[in-house]
Amino acid sequence: DAGVTQSPTHLIKTRGQQVTLRCSPKSGHDTVSWYQQALGQGPQFIFQYYEEEERQRGNFPDRFSGHQFPNYSSELNVNALLLGDSALYLCASSLDPGSYEQYFGPGTRLTVT
Amino acid sequence: AQTVTQSQPEMSVQEAETVTLSCTYDTSENNYYLFWYKQPPSRQMILVIRQEAYKQQNATENRFSVNFQKAAKSFSLKISDSQLGDTAMYFCAFMKLPNTGNQFYFGTGTSLTVIP
Repeated sequence: DAGVTQSPTHLIKTRGQQVTLRCSPKSGHDTVSWYQQALGQGPQFIFQYYEEEERQRGNFPDRFSGHQFPNYSSELNVNALLLGDSALYLCASSLDPGSYEQYFGPGTRLTVT
Repeated sequence: AQTVTQSQPEMSVQEAETVTLSCTYDTSENNYYLFWYKQPPSRQMILVIRQEAYKQQNATENRFSVNFQKAAKSFSLKISDSQLGDTAMYFCAFMKLPNTGNQFYFGTGTSLTVIP
């Protein structure tokens, strides 16, 4: 049983560019949450997707957007990249939006230069 | 708003010894979960232990146990018989109930090194 997978592993982008990160949830999970983990910090909640809709959102600007596909996989898009967007982006999946049991992927390390 | 504070950025412990990591939190909620997650160099966050706030009994998972003091809003993690594989970042996390969007609030983490 594959756990949560994320791609790519690492990514380097230039300020002002756009980036798309991808996540496949654990088998049987239909809910995906995204977190941003800046260097030396704990993860911060970006948003959650369930039934192909954004269900809840943290304190992040509209430059951060997402999508969930019918197979429950998800994408995180960040437009107009800033140096401060450099971070590890974690995806977590769960059985439902209210579940406390989240399974995390290994993350995508984004570097903005 | 919920906040989680981990005041120990780095800690070390000799192999086979016991270490305690501290966590405090601030919330006006009465029902919630508290968690300790481990993040090894591989970066994948792994759940170590979970505590429901309505339970007075402290949670235990093998060598890991917590000291949950609800009134003091304190939630420490004790690792007994430390092993080299315990070397990792440890994050304390909070989730309020009922949870309509499993939004977790994490602390800034404690880097634990187990010394052979």
